[in-house]
Amino acid sequence: SQTIHQWPATLVQPVGSPLSLECTVEGTSNPNLYWYRQAAGRGLQLLFYSVGIGQISSEVPQNLSASRPQDRQFILSSKKLLLSDSGFYLCAWSVGQVNTEAFFGQGTRLTVV
Amino acid sequence: AQTVTQSQPEMSVQEAETVTLSCTYDTSESDYYLFWYKQPPSRQMILVIRQEAYKQQNATENRFSVNFQKAAKSFSLKISDSQLGDAAMYFCAYMEYGNKLVFGAGTILRVKS
Repeated sequence: SQTIHQWPATLVQPVGSPLSLECTVEGTSNPNLYWYRQAAGRGLQLLFYSVGIGQISSEVPQNLSASRPQDRQFILSSKKLLLSDSGFYLCAWSVGQVNTEAFFGQGTRLTVV
Repeated sequence: AQTVTQSQPEMSVQEAETVTLSCTYDTSESDYYLFWYKQPPSRQMILVIRQEAYKQQNATENRFSVNFQKAAKSFSLKISDSQLGDAAMYFCAYMEYGNKLVFGAGTILRVKS
């Protein structure tokens, strides 16, 4: 069966420090991968999505970047964190391009202090 | 761009009673999928129910059902026989091509015993 792993679960980082969040999927090949962010008390916003290795699309301008070095690995990064980067980050995966279910990881709570 | 609106920031229901959560969306597409996700305090995103726009029949999953009004672009969730475990944040979501989800702001559901 397919599983998705996301870590760390919780992270507290100072302003200006770098960031690396990792997500891996098991049990499937060539998945679509997504990074969503949930600000406090709000819905999820799509940040990045990828349909293959090295293929990254950014949905909103921001201080973050994403990379996909392997088929089932998706990394969210920042060179210098801002206070506004605080939030709950969720990785998700799906298969195919048209209307199939997306499955979510357990999320990372990031607090920038 | 597609938008999803949940006009009820918070709802309360007595245990064993029925509650309806509202959702409206905007799209120019004719074929699409709509979802309701549940986010309990653990923050894990759990798929509750999904509806295919070309299907006229409303989707049902045990105690959960939807009222899908395509012309009105309305997609409400009805929870029957509410249980304490139903307490959570509920998100309505529209799926774009590429399986990208557009979320509403969410509705907090409180269940009273």
